[in-house]
Amino acid sequence: QVQLVQSGAEVKKPGASVKVSCKASGYTFTRYHMHWVRQAPGQGLEWMGIINPSGGSTTYGQKFQGRVTMTRDTSTTTVYMELSSLRSEDTAVYYCARDQRDSGDIYFDYWGQGTLVTVSS
Amino acid sequence: SYELTQPPSVSVSPGQTASITCSGDKLGDKYAFWYQQKPGQSPVVVIYQDTKRPSGIPERFSGSNSGNTATLTISGAQAMDEADYFCQAWDSSIGVFGTGTKVTVL
Repeated sequence: QVQLVQSGAEVKKPGASVKVSCKASGYTFTRYHMHWVRQAPGQGLEWMGIINPSGGSTTYGQKFQGRVTMTRDTSTTTVYMELSSLRSEDTAVYYCARDQRDSGDIYFDYWGQGTLVTVSS
Repeated sequence: SYELTQPPSVSVSPGQTASITCSGDKLGDKYAFWYQQKPGQSPVVVIYQDTKRPSGIPERFSGSNSGNTATLTISGAQAMDEADYFCQAWDSSIGVFGTGTKVTVL
């Protein structure tokens, strides 16, 4: 069965960076793109970007351009999301979500359990 | 940037019908997707491509999309349907989520 297992909670100081991992299993890793979505406490969902595990190409949301880097390791079937120059507003649960392309359009069919990143001095 | 607007809350009595709207410029020209999120859990897709239900999603969930508004309908709402619901669409390959609607069944 498809599983996306994320790394544990993190506490970071403002200005630091955080790297969250998402280990995929139960399917062919390179056949499905992966997205990152975050959710601030009590708030809505916010799309951050997408990575193609096959070639490593990425597309980032404009809000995160220059601060986010998504990478993958095909040997361990893991994708990573690194966010730099953290500020308090980055405190959120970060999710990885698998890309399902049905008839050309995309939805998220499996989600990781989420990783809470807290930014506090 | 593209925006999707939802009502903050919707209340429904058990067994009745709840309708959640999602408004965006020419949303009907795009596909709309709907996600359900219960407290402390990850989101789950309940409707994709405007009207399709993934396997395992009850038939009481249905969707439509036309003009500037997509609608998620829960027919015969049950207590287990109490959750936050988010619409979502793609605008120039960028993912956009709606503001979210809390559905209360009481």
